[in-house]
Amino acid sequence: SQQGEEDPQALSIQEGENATMNCSYKTSINNLQWYRQNSGRGLVHLILIRSNEREKHSGRLRVTLDTSKKSSSLLITASRAADTASYFCATPLGGDKIIFGKGTRLHILP
Amino acid sequence: DARVTQTPRHKVTEMGQEVTMRCQPILGHNTVFWYRQTMMQGLELLAYFRNRAPLDDSGMPKDRFSAEMPDATLATLKIQPSEPRDSAVYFCASGSGTGGSDTQYFGPGTRLTVL
Repeated sequence: SQQGEEDPQALSIQEGENATMNCSYKTSINNLQWYRQNSGRGLVHLILIRSNEREKHSGRLRVTLDTSKKSSSLLITASRAADTASYFCATPLGGDKIIFGKGTRLHILP
Repeated sequence: DARVTQTPRHKVTEMGQEVTMRCQPILGHNTVFWYRQTMMQGLELLAYFRNRAPLDDSGMPKDRFSAEMPDATLATLKIQPSEPRDSAVYFCASGSGTGGSDTQYFGPGTRLTVL
């Protein structure tokens, strides 16, 4: 399967701490996306990193991509209660299609 | 604030009944995707349209599911007859069709329960 796999499946941290989630994939890609899903809502795009980029920042988010290891990580710094959500990586599947992993459920403890 | 809308938000029906879910993509977007999300399977792509033409529906059970885009502002997903295993959240997403690097914008989903 080309589906990316997030690790860990679930993560609980204290508010203010950093949260790191990882994604591994199997085939060569030219980009990788991360999405967030709050409970009961649709997915929201967070960031896209291209294969020629090693690191990208957006606010408190930092994404890395290691194409040699076929892996990506999403770091959320100084976590807040509002960051409680599921986080998915997505990789291209051909044409306009992308395929999502099963996600990491992040819970920020007060 | 452009967004994808889906109706209904919740649907409870009995096995064997027809279910129709509707989606209004963001104006100007030319790709539309239907996904199904369950705890066991995660997010599965059911069907995908570009410029209203169906390009891939390999993820759909063909005998009971059908997807159409009657016009650029409406996409429909129909299940007939519905079965309890169809219970899931169904999402519609749209994009501007720039290929596999395109951002997809998701609707709020239709939570379907088939009794």
